Amino acid sequence: GQSLEQPSEVTAVEGAIVQINCTYQTSGFYGLSWYQQHDGGAPTFLSYNALDGLEETGRFSSFLSRSDSYGYLLLQELQMKDSASYFCAVKDDYKLSFGAGTTVTVRA
Amino acid sequence: NAGVTQTPKFRVLKTGQSMTLLCAQDMNHEYMYWYRQDPGMGLRLIHYSVGEGTTAKGEVPDGYNVSRLKKQNFLLGLESAAPSQTSVYFCASHRDPGTDTQYFGPGTRLTVL
Repeated sequence: GQSLEQPSEVTAVEGAIVQINCTYQTSGFYGLSWYQQHDGGAPTFLSYNALDGLEETGRFSSFLSRSDSYGYLLLQELQMKDSASYFCAVKDDYKLSFGAGTTVTVRA
Repeated sequence: NAGVTQTPKFRVLKTGQSMTLLCAQDMNHEYMYWYRQDPGMGLRLIHYSVGEGTTAKGEVPDGYNVSRLKKQNFLLGLESAAPSQTSVYFCASHRDPGTDTQYFGPGTRLTVL
């Protein structure tokens, strides 16, 4: 089976940088995805890492180390609209297994 | 292009009642999924389908059945609802295993009394 761990909550001020760590134990691994979900909304795709290293998409970056079974999502120049839950998910062939999510609260 | 849609958006059932949740996608995606989301537990896979006419069990399939008679539709059935099935249900789809993005519907909030 799959097991993913990420912090439950993070609070930061506007303009700050937040790093959300994700560690995983899996029986199969194709890559690590990150999804964002605003309160009452649907999850939306943010990023995907299949290989080791850093992927940058605007203010958000994601990192993967396959040897350490570890990844993180980096949110830079935080804005109020970034207040949401963030989920890491392990891709095993065509299925995703999600972590419990990290609630990010951005304060003015 | 509506993406992934779900019907209904909200529903209240009594214990023992049955219902069907409908998911539809207009992106011609092969793969479709049903998840449930409970507070503090993330999304858990109930059933999935890798193409028209196929279905498979996910992590938490008990108490649910699914059908994929048409490529664009994926139905989730509860034959005899239980309070433990109170949850938010999300449907998702993606084109093929080589792509990394799943597209989610808006969700169905189900309460079983």
